[in-house]
Amino acid sequence: TQLLEQSPQFLSIQEGENLTVYCNSSSVFSSLQWYRQEPGEGPVLLVTVVTGGEVKKLKRLTFQFGDARKDSSLHITAAQPGDTGLYLCAGGGKAAGNKLTFGGGTRVLVKP
Amino acid sequence: NAGVTQTPKFQVLKTGQSMTLQCAQDMNHNSMYWYRQDPGMGLRLIYYSASEGTTDKGEVPNGYNVSRLNKREFSLRLESAAPSQTSVYFCASSELGVGGEQFFGPGTRLTVL
Repeated sequence: TQLLEQSPQFLSIQEGENLTVYCNSSSVFSSLQWYRQEPGEGPVLLVTVVTGGEVKKLKRLTFQFGDARKDSSLHITAAQPGDTGLYLCAGGGKAAGNKLTFGGGTRVLVKP
Repeated sequence: NAGVTQTPKFQVLKTGQSMTLQCAQDMNHNSMYWYRQDPGMGLRLIYYSASEGTTDKGEVPNGYNVSRLNKREFSLRLESAAPSQTSVYFCASSELGVGGEQFFGPGTRLTVL
C-alpha cells in the first residue's frame, strides 16, 4: 500500500474537456508537490503547495491542498494535447521520513 | 547548465552481471537521490545522499549500493543483477534539503534477462 494514492490511474479525454486528478493519503504532509513527466524524460516540477486549503493556479492548471494537508487535487481546464503526460504527486515532511514520497501517478491522454 | 545527467541511457544485463549507473549534477545541490520507476508504482526511493559524505537507505535498497563520489556525482551499483531489477532508474538532486524541489535526470532504462 502506497502512502499517497492517486486516482484515476489513467484518463483519456478529448481536447477542450476538463479533468481532475486526485492525490489522497491518511497521513499529514508539510508540503505537496505535483510533477509532470513526458515519455523518455524525468519528472519536472509544476507546483509546490504548503498551506492547508491553499490554491495555486498555473495557466489552465489549478492545484489545491486539502485543509487537513492529507490530500490534493489537480484540475486542468480546457485540456490540450500538450497536457498529455504522467502526473505525479509527491508529499514531503515527517510522514515521508523527511524525504519525498511519490504517488503511483495518473497517466493523462488528451486527444485532438 | 546541463542540470542532471545520467549514463548510460539504456543497458541490457544478464542475471548475475554487475554494473554502475552514473549520475552528475552541475547545480551545486547538496542532496542527491536514486529512484526506480515501475508501471503503476510511481517513483520509489532506493538510496539518497543528504549531503556530500553521507548516504542513507530509501524504500527499496536491497540489491543496490551507492557512492557519493563528491558533491557533483552519485553512483548506483548493482552487484549481481536480477530480473526484478528491470526498471527505469532516475537520479535527482535538490537544493533545499531532502523535502525540496527535485530536479531529475533523463533516466536509464535497464533490462535484466
